[in-house]
Amino acid sequence: EIVLTQSPGTLSLSPGERATLSCRTSQSISSRYLAWYQQRPGQAPRLLIYGASSRATGIPDRFSGSGSGADFTLTISRLETEDFAVYYCQHFGSSPPATFGGGTKVEIK
Amino acid sequence: QVQLVESGGGLVKPGGSLRLSCVASGFTFTDHYMSWIRQSPGKGLEWISYISGRGITTFYADSVKGRFTISRDSAKRSLYLEMNSLRVDDTAIYYCARDAHAGGSLDYWGQGTLVTVSS
Repeated sequence: EIVLTQSPGTLSLSPGERATLSCRTSQSISSRYLAWYQQRPGQAPRLLIYGASSRATGIPDRFSGSGSGADFTLTISRLETEDFAVYYCQHFGSSPPATFGGGTKVEIK
Repeated sequence: QVQLVESGGGLVKPGGSLRLSCVASGFTFTDHYMSWIRQSPGKGLEWISYISGRGITTFYADSVKGRFTISRDSAKRSLYLEMNSLRVDDTAIYYCARDAHAGGSLDYWGQGTLVTVSS
């Protein structure tokens, strides 16, 4: 089973700042199978990025994904108030088919 | 537009059973794999099961294998999760989600239904 480790656990930033979130996998994976989600309090997760770097429909361009191998990054170029949330990376594999990282909480400083 | 609406959650005693439903609209139901994902209170996300578009292929996480059964009814545009032998650690919000046809990502999620297992 591939394990996804997200860091940091919590990121304290101010609106307008840049956020950089990391997702490391326990072994090298195809970037095609790496996705990122945002979860606001009391809401279901929302797909942000699929295939490591492709934005989902309706996602603002301040969100970007990058990386390959075992090291992936989600960047939010300028934080807006609604971006303060928890972010999860996800890998789609074989057994089990899907695993999530533990999440990174982006909070207002 | 695409909508997924779960129902069926509630309070159940350990060892009990519950059936969750997820009604889909706004897309061709049989074109998409569907998954169930759960989230324990204050915790992260755990994928627990998926089913192929026509219901032929299913897969389960080890944590629920042998206790939970996923199924779907294309005529009713509905996804189901039959949960038996429930344990306290099955307490969670259960979400249904649609496969995006993009590397296993999940592009639409329901609002979730809360299952509480407690004596």
